[in-house]
Amino acid sequence: GAGVSQSPSNKVTEKGKDVELRCDPISGHTALYWYRQSLGQGLEFLIYFQGNSAPDKSGLPSDRFSAERTGGSVSTLTIQRTQQEDSAVYLCASSRDGSSTDTQYFGPGTRLTVL
Amino acid sequence: SQQGEEDPQALSIQEGENATMNCSYKTSINNLQWYRQNSGRGLVHLILIRSNEREKHSGRLRVTLDTSKKSSSLLITASRAADTASYFCATDVNFGNEKLTFGTGTRLTIIP
Repeated sequence: GAGVSQSPSNKVTEKGKDVELRCDPISGHTALYWYRQSLGQGLEFLIYFQGNSAPDKSGLPSDRFSAERTGGSVSTLTIQRTQQEDSAVYLCASSRDGSSTDTQYFGPGTRLTVL
Repeated sequence: SQQGEEDPQALSIQEGENATMNCSYKTSINNLQWYRQNSGRGLVHLILIRSNEREKHSGRLRVTLDTSKKSSSLLITASRAADTASYFCATDVNFGNEKLTFGTGTRLTIIP
């Protein structure tokens, strides 16, 4: 079956522009996560969706960042007024039921470069 | 601050040798997972060890967990060139919380 997919794979944008990053989780997975990874660093948690519950937004670094998950499937991460420090690889993952023992399946990521 | 920190940050060994990476964490956990990342892209789950387990094996991988020392180790035996990757440990910070916190990773290079 298909894994987690993300688009675009690469995005170059100018400072101040808005960007949208898309994640298609594995079909049937109720949990979806967004992470950010700066060059040579570990993963930074951004936001977590589980079923119909309110998302855990505790990792979003500023109010320029927002995410939504429509119909419990596809998710979009939006960054408004991008800054150079937003340059990173944005990784999406999904898991079957969101428990801490669940395996998270990662997409290939979107490499965002803000000029 | 990072919940998990891997040690060493980078490791280079000859093909065929064993590679050991360590992870330390700060708070009580429910379980700990190890992931591998190739080429700075998506991570692949390797193994999960629960807090009541001390050792777990999967193929050439052996993971240990010492909750008294808040540390875990990942051993890769008989390393291969394809094992070259970054390895991350991930813990659930709050007991029962679904959110994983990843460490900073160990960059492993296998020299053919």
